[in-house]
Amino acid sequence: DAGVIQSPRHEVTEMGQEVTLRCKPISGHNSLFWYRQTMMRGLELLIYFNNNVPIDDSGMPEDRFSAKMPNASFSTLKIQPSEPRDSAVYFCASSYRSSYNSPLHFGNGTRLTVT
Amino acid sequence: QKEVEQNSGPLSVPEGAIASLNCTYSDRGSQSFFWYRQYSGKSPELIMSIYSNGDKEDGRFTAQLNKASQYVSLLIRDSQPSDSATYLCAVNMRNTGNQFYFGTGTSLTVIP
Repeated sequence: DAGVIQSPRHEVTEMGQEVTLRCKPISGHNSLFWYRQTMMRGLELLIYFNNNVPIDDSGMPEDRFSAKMPNASFSTLKIQPSEPRDSAVYFCASSYRSSYNSPLHFGNGTRLTVT
Repeated sequence: QKEVEQNSGPLSVPEGAIASLNCTYSDRGSQSFFWYRQYSGKSPELIMSIYSNGDKEDGRFTAQLNKASQYVSLLIRDSQPSDSATYLCAVNMRNTGNQFYFGTGTSLTVIP
């Protein structure tokens, strides 16, 4: 089991540029979550999907953020245009929705720096 | 009131002592409870899960759940410097589908 795979590991970009973060969940998991973590705000849920369908995107900060899950093995989080306050570590996590006992498994995260 | 609350610490204990980490949650219908350990610069790593009232032991770790008091704790026996990390409490709340709520984490330092 390769675990949750995120890319890139690090992203440095200038304000105003588009940023796309990618995630491959664990095979067989049907729930996928995007989190953002900062020192000030801790771990924040941005959006999560069940069976590729977005269920709750209330944590998405604003319209500059969008997420897609075109199939069970791939998801993207896009920020356009990026701003310095978007600098954070973004984690993708997956679990098996049908069991409430299924924990979240996290990817290694993408550290985003917007200058 | 936040859904999941933890003392942010920092908590410092001497090597070999017992470290006690606490967490309270708001949804009485919550079913699943998890403890994650996060080293600086790394992703959260699952270390314990608990679903029923009582204690669950795994090596040096013991998770305790009291649903009546809406309280879950993690005990680390014989604390080691390698246990120094931030510990996150997570709750899967039944009424929110499959959404996981995280506390803000407790920073633990084990002093050699």
